[in-house]
Order: sequence, then structure tokens, then C-alpha cells
Amino acid sequence: SAVISQKPSRDICQRGTSLTIQCQVDSQVTMMFWYRQQPGQSLTLIATANQGSEATYESGFVIDKFPISRPNLTFSTLTVSNMSPEDSSIYLCSVAEPITDTQYFGPGTRLTVL
Amino acid sequence: QQQVKQSPQSLIVQKGGISIINCAYENTAFDYFPWYQQFPGKGPALLIAIRPDVSEKKEGRFTISFNKSAKQFSLHIMDSQPGDSATYFCAARASGGYQKVTFGTGTKLQVIP
Repeated sequence: SAVISQKPSRDICQRGTSLTIQCQVDSQVTMMFWYRQQPGQSLTLIATANQGSEATYESGFVIDKFPISRPNLTFSTLTVSNMSPEDSSIYLCSVAEPITDTQYFGPGTRLTVL
Repeated sequence: QQQVKQSPQSLIVQKGGISIINCAYENTAFDYFPWYQQFPGKGPALLIAIRPDVSEKKEGRFTISFNKSAKQFSLHIMDSQPGDSATYFCAARASGGYQKVTFGTGTKLQVIP
């Protein structure tokens, strides 16, 4: 299975600032995903990031707020822009393993916005 | 139609007992049903998955039962242990290129000694 790491693991940020979360995978994958998980809640897909194309955002999420980069097949970043306390959440990177399409998750980034 | 309904929201089971979590779906295009286990402070980890061509899949103490006609599937944890205490998410996905995974609302399981 793919091994996924995220940086930072947690952060406390001030309202109005931006945070970039990094996701690194130990193997090449076509499809990477970014999820948000609010405390005690299920996972909500923010966007799908394929290498070489623009990210596809789900309803309720926009590129200006959550810009995503996917420069190669093992790395992606998610930026949470102009943060407000409502953005406090866990942000999870996920990949779909080639051939099996099994989806694996990173450890998450716990973000608190004051 | 994209929803996956999961119950119960929380579950307390005695050590050695059977934990049962149920899920139901509407979208008949779903053909892959994984279960994820999430411990506090960790990302979800794939536990076991099933496709609708079989009615049951067992891996160790974990069993998925699948009822295609009822559009329901469930996770059974036999001989539940305190180490099984976690949140469990059922999920579903359609095939045909990569389709996004739809997650259930989660079940917080507590296994008491």
C-alpha cells in the first residue's frame, strides 16, 4: 500500500492568514485527493488533483479559497487561504493506488484558526 | 442518490462480543464497498472491502456481509477487543474510470473490558 506523509501535522494560525499543506507519496500515483474532516464528522472531498491538469473541485469548494498544486506524480499541496475559525478542521491527503484503485489516506493535518 | 447511510452513530460493546455496523445505499452504480478504521489523531485506514459479486468477505475477525437486492452491507467484528475502539466508516464507489468515494457518517465504537 502507498505510504503518505503530510506536513505540517498540526498548526495554529491567525484569522486572515494562509497555510500550505504538503502531501508526499512514496510511489507514483495518478490521482490524489484532498479531504476535510471536521471534529467528529465524516470526510468531505474538497478536490481531486491529477498531475498535469487543474484540480477538480467539489460543490462548495473553490480554487481561490483552496488552491492546489500537483507538480509531479508523488507530491501535492493544498493551501487554505484567508482563513477563518470555520476552517478549523483536519485536512487529509489521499491517493488512489494504480491498478487496484484502492484509496489510502495520509495522517492528516490538524488546523486550528484563532 | 449519492448518499451512504450508516448506523448506529455510536456503539458500546463488551470485550469478546460482536460489533455490528450497518450501511445502506441508493445508487445502483456503486460496485465497490470499502470499510475504513480511524483512530483518534490518525488518518482513516482501509480495513476490508467487498464487491457485489460476493455476499460475504472475511478477514480475520472482520467480516463484511453484502445484500445486493436490499442495497445494504454491514461490518461484523467478532470477539471485539478494546484495541478495536475507533471510528468506522463505510464507503461506496462506482466504477468506470475513477469515481469518487462516498463515505458514510461514521460509527464510533467503544469496546469495554
